Amino acid sequence: DAGVTQSPTHLIKTRGQQVTLRCSPKSGHDTVSWYQQALGQGPQFIFQYYEEEERQRGNFPDRFSGHQFPNYSSELNVNALLLGDSALYLCASSLWTENEKLFFGSGTQLSVL
Amino acid sequence: AQSVAQPEDQVNVAEGNPLTVKCTYSVSGNPYLFWYVQYPNRGLQFLLKYITGDNLVKGSYGFEAEFNKSQTSFHLKKPSALVSDSALYFCAVRDRTSGGSYIPTFGRGTSLIVHP
Repeated sequence: DAGVTQSPTHLIKTRGQQVTLRCSPKSGHDTVSWYQQALGQGPQFIFQYYEEEERQRGNFPDRFSGHQFPNYSSELNVNALLLGDSALYLCASSLWTENEKLFFGSGTQLSVL
Repeated sequence: AQSVAQPEDQVNVAEGNPLTVKCTYSVSGNPYLFWYVQYPNRGLQFLLKYITGDNLVKGSYGFEAEFNKSQTSFHLKKPSALVSDSALYFCAVRDRTSGGSYIPTFGRGTSLIVHP
C-alpha cells in the first residue's frame, strides 16, 4: 500500500516562471492538503481539496492555485515565482471524515533562482 | 487565532534517559493537539493526538504527551530515549471551533538529538 507520493522530488526554477507540483494521496484517502515549509520553520497551510473543490485556504496569494482530480490526486501550481517561494512543499492526505490525522509525502524541494 | 510555541530549537539527551520536548499553545476555544516527527528527507509522520478525555495520550514508538489545560501545554515525553529517536519534532494545534476542515497551526519544530 503506497503512502503519499509527490513528484518531482527536486525542482529548480527562475524568477517569473511557473511550476506545477503533483501529489498522489494514500490509498483510500479523499482529501489532499498542501503545505509550504521554509527552512527552519514549521509547515504553513496553503489549501485543502475535497471532492475536487478548494475547501479551505491559508494566507497565500492567488499565485498559488490547485486542482484535485477525480482519482483524488492533486496539483499545486505557482505562477510568477519569487525568490521567497523557495521551500519544501508538502502534500498531506487524509479522510474528510477523519481529517485531523494527516499522512505526509516526502515533499518537493523547490529552489527559485 | 491559534498559535503554537516550541521554546527549544534543540534538545539533547543521552540514550536511555527520559526525554521531554516542550510545546505551549494558544487558541480561543478548546484545542485539538498533535505531535508529528520528521526524519531527514522525509515527510512528517503522525505520532499522537489529543482530542478530549485523558490528559495523558499514548502514541507511536513509545511516545506520550501530557495535556495541561491550566498551563496550555502539551509536552512530548518518552521514558527512555533511543538514538533512532533523533529527528525534528513538530507540535500542532487546531481550534475545535474552526469547523470540519482541519487547518492546523504548526510550531517551528524542535530538533531532538539522542547521544549514544
